[in-house]
Amino acid sequence: SAVISQKPSRDICQRGTSLTIQCQVDSQVTMMFWYRQQPGQSLTLIATANQGSEATYESGFVIDKFPISRPNLTFSTLTVSNMSPEDSSIYLCSVQSGLTYEQYFGPGTRLTVT
Amino acid sequence: RKEVEQDPGPFNVPEGATVAFNCTYSNSASQSFFWYRQDCRKEPKLLMSVYSSGNEDGRFTAQLNRASQYISLLIRDSKLSDSATYLCVVKDGGTSYGKLTFGQGTILTVHP
Repeated sequence: SAVISQKPSRDICQRGTSLTIQCQVDSQVTMMFWYRQQPGQSLTLIATANQGSEATYESGFVIDKFPISRPNLTFSTLTVSNMSPEDSSIYLCSVQSGLTYEQYFGPGTRLTVT
Repeated sequence: RKEVEQDPGPFNVPEGATVAFNCTYSNSASQSFFWYRQDCRKEPKLLMSVYSSGNEDGRFTAQLNRASQYISLLIRDSKLSDSATYLCVVKDGGTSYGKLTFGQGTILTVHP
């Protein structure tokens, strides 16, 4: 499976500010995904990011709040904009294997908004 | 009805026990099925894919019943290191694309 890294691993931010999370993969992948895991909850897909096209957002998530970039096949960013305490969560990127179509997750970014 | 429902647990079992987790899914068009394991404050890690014929990986056996829309995971000879949250995951659409829908997870604690 691919080796996935995320930066930052954690952050504490003030409400109203924005944070950009980076996801780096050690191999080229077509499909990357961004998930959110709120405290005590399971994972929810935010959006799918394919290189060369606009991200596809799931119901309840909008581009203005969670803009995503996918400049190449090994890198993506997720920005959490105009943060509120409700955005406190773990944000995870994942990639899909081109061979098995299984998904593998990065270590996550633990965000706390005060 | 939730798209993916799991036994909430928690399950507390002694070492060496056999434990089974169940999961049901609502979308009959779902194509792929997985069990992930998530340790505390860590990312989910793929435990195994679930195939129609059932599959086994060491002490772990996964079964799929498409007619009943039911997935199971059996862990034999439980180890302390098996303590984790087990996530039932369903993938819609074809194998090339499809979002993952996660169950709420079942907490397993294996004690000495």
